[in-house]
Amino acid sequence: DAGVIQSPRHEVTEMGQEVTLRCKPISGHDYLFWYRQTMMRGLELLIYFNNNVPIDDSGMPEDRFSAKMPNASFSTLKIQPSEPRDSAVYFCASSFSRSAEAFFGQGTRLTVV
Amino acid sequence: GENVEQHPSTLSVQEGDSAVIKCTYSDSASNYFPWYKQELGKGPQLIIDIRSNVGEKKDQRIAVTLNKTAKHFSLHITETQPEDSAVYFCAVVGAGTALIFGKGTTLSVSS
Repeated sequence: DAGVIQSPRHEVTEMGQEVTLRCKPISGHDYLFWYRQTMMRGLELLIYFNNNVPIDDSGMPEDRFSAKMPNASFSTLKIQPSEPRDSAVYFCASSFSRSAEAFFGQGTRLTVV
Repeated sequence: GENVEQHPSTLSVQEGDSAVIKCTYSDSASNYFPWYKQELGKGPQLIIDIRSNVGEKKDQRIAVTLNKTAKHFSLHITETQPEDSAVYFCAVVGAGTALIFGKGTTLSVSS
């Protein structure tokens, strides 16, 4: 398996634009997680899915953020409209369970200008 | 919700010395305690983990200890090497939650 695949690796967008980040988890993993990493706040859990169902989205900062998992091999994190304070590295991870090794993708570096 | 405190935020050691990073957590129901290493430009990668029914676990130069009563756990790296330089994160999984990470420790090993 190629591991968790995220796209794009880098995204630069203007304030107010819609941004969509994509993730392909490792085949067979039942859990998918979205994290945001900044210097100030570290690694923050945004949302996680179990068998394509969102379980906990309490970490999603506000209504501008939404995440979907239409099938076991694909998830998206959307920000609409984007703001400069959304600039961060966004990681997707997958695992067999909540209490097992989580495999992280390479991340998407988002810059909102 | 779960709160994870990690110390120190930066740590500088000489090659061959030991390094210790400590974390405390708040939820007594937490039962899984992994440590991740993150190199520049990459995602975090698991290096060792421990579960609540175990007090200590060792893997070559890396060990983790857990004190459930005091709600803290530590990462120990012996005989440090320059390639150990990275950011290390502790994490905790509690009842109904996913991985909650500490703020990270930047370890620098100088030769």
